[in-house]
Amino acid sequence: GAGVSQSPRYKVTKRGQDVALRCDPISGHVSLYWYRQALGQGPEFLTYFNYEAQQDKSGLPNDRFSAERPEGSISTLTIQRTEQRDSAMYRCASSAETGEMNTEAFFGQGTRLTVV
Amino acid sequence: GQNIDQPTEMTATEGAIVQINCTYQTSGFNGLFWYQQHAGEAPTFLSYNVLDGLEEKGRFSSFLSRSKGYSYLLLKELQMKDSASYLCAVRGQKTGGSYIPTFGRGTSLIVHP
Repeated sequence: GAGVSQSPRYKVTKRGQDVALRCDPISGHVSLYWYRQALGQGPEFLTYFNYEAQQDKSGLPNDRFSAERPEGSISTLTIQRTEQRDSAMYRCASSAETGEMNTEAFFGQGTRLTVV
Repeated sequence: GQNIDQPTEMTATEGAIVQINCTYQTSGFNGLFWYQQHAGEAPTFLSYNVLDGLEEKGRFSSFLSRSKGYSYLLLKELQMKDSASYLCAVRGQKTGGSYIPTFGRGTSLIVHP
C-alpha cells in the first residue's frame, strides 16, 4: 500500500477484554516495529520483526502482550485481559531493510486504545 | 539502561533560527534520528546521524558528537508549519540485544508570527 495502515483507528474496550490491533506495512518492507505512545511522550518500543521472525520482544510490558507476523507482512498485536493502564496510542512502523531501523522508518496513524 | 533528554517546550518567531538539543546516555551507540510529529499525526523522518558532524538538508540540519553524547537539530527560516514536536531517537542496545531506537519525550516547538 501507499503507507503503513493500522486498524482500527480507535478502539474502546472494557477492562478484561482481549483486543487485537492490526498493522499492514508498506508493501515490500521487511522490518516491522510496534511502539506505544502516551500523550506528550515519545514512542516506547514494544517489539519488532524481520520478515516473520520476532527479533526482539524485550519492550513488551508483560505476558498479556503478544505479537505475530505469520507471513512476513501483516502483523497483529494482541493484548489479553486489558487493563486501564493499557490505554495509549499504539503505533506500527516499517522499514525497507533488516538493519534494526538503521534507515528511515515510516509510521502508521496508530490505533488509539481506550480501556474503560 | 538508556536515557535521552531534550527540552519539553521551545518557542520561536517566524523567520528565525532555533536549535533543539538532545543529550543521551546509552549502552552502545549505533546512530541518532530526528523525527517531526505534528499534533495528532504520525512521526515523520527528518535526519539520521551515525558519524560526528553536521548533516544539512534544506532548512534543517542535524549535528552529532558521539564523545559528548549530544545532538542538535537546527531549523532555519522558521515557518508556522514547523510548529510540531521534535523527537530525538537513539539506537542504543536494548536488553533484547537489538539496536532499535529509543525515543525521547519530544520537544514541542511553537512558532509564532
